[in-house]
Amino acid sequence: EPEVTQTPSHQVTQMGQEVILRCVPISNHLYFYWYRQILGQKVEFLVSFYNNEISEKSEIFDDQFSVERPDGSNFTLKIRSTKLEDSAMYFCASSSGRASGAFFGQGTRLTVV
Amino acid sequence: AQSVTQLDSQVPVFEEAPVELRCNYSSSVSVYLFWYVQYPNQGLQLLLKYLSGSTLVKGINGFEAEFNKSQTSFHLRKPSVHISDTAEYFCAVSEAKAAGNKLTFGGGTRVLVKP
Repeated sequence: EPEVTQTPSHQVTQMGQEVILRCVPISNHLYFYWYRQILGQKVEFLVSFYNNEISEKSEIFDDQFSVERPDGSNFTLKIRSTKLEDSAMYFCASSSGRASGAFFGQGTRLTVV
Repeated sequence: AQSVTQLDSQVPVFEEAPVELRCNYSSSVSVYLFWYVQYPNQGLQLLLKYLSGSTLVKGINGFEAEFNKSQTSFHLRKPSVHISDTAEYFCAVSEAKAAGNKLTFGGGTRVLVKP
C-alpha cells in the first residue's frame, strides 16, 4: 500500500540553527501539506502546496518557514532559525483531491534545545 | 473558519464493549468530515469520511460515524472494541469548496481498552 514517508524520524537541533524536514508523498497525489503537533496540543495546519506553489498557509507559517518540491518526489519544510517553541511533531500529508482525505506520514519529532 | 470540539479527552472502555467518541464542529460553510486514528508512535490514519449523501458512514476496523447536520455532530462508534483499538482518535473538518483541503482538527480523544 502506498504511504507517505518522512525523514528523519527524530531531529535534535540547537536554537537558531536551520533544519530541513523531508517527505516523500504518495506518487500520484497532487496536494501536499505540513501540519504540526506541539506536545499536548491539537494538530495544527501549517501550509498546503499545489501546482508548485503554496495554496494556503496559517499564521504560524511565517517568514522563518518555507516549503519546496525540489524534484518530482520530495517535499521539504525548512525552518530557517529554529526557536524553542518550534519543538513539535511535524507531519507531512498528501492527497489526490479535496474529497479524498489526506494521508499522513509518521512524523518527524523536532526537538530544539 | 471552522472549529472542532471533541468533548472527551479520554475514554476508558472494556474489551468487547461499545464505544462512542463525540465530535461537534462549527462552520459557516459546508464541510467534509473525517475521523483519523493515531496508534502509539505512528502517524495519522484515515478511518472514515463524510462528504455527502447517506449520513451513516462506515470505515475501517469496524468503525462507523453518523453525520447530524442539525446538531453539527459527527460521532464515531464501534459496537465492540478490541485491545488493538487503544489509540488516539481525531475528528477533523475541511471546507467543502476550498481548493486546498486544509484540515482543522479537534483536540483528540484517547481511548484505552481494558481487558
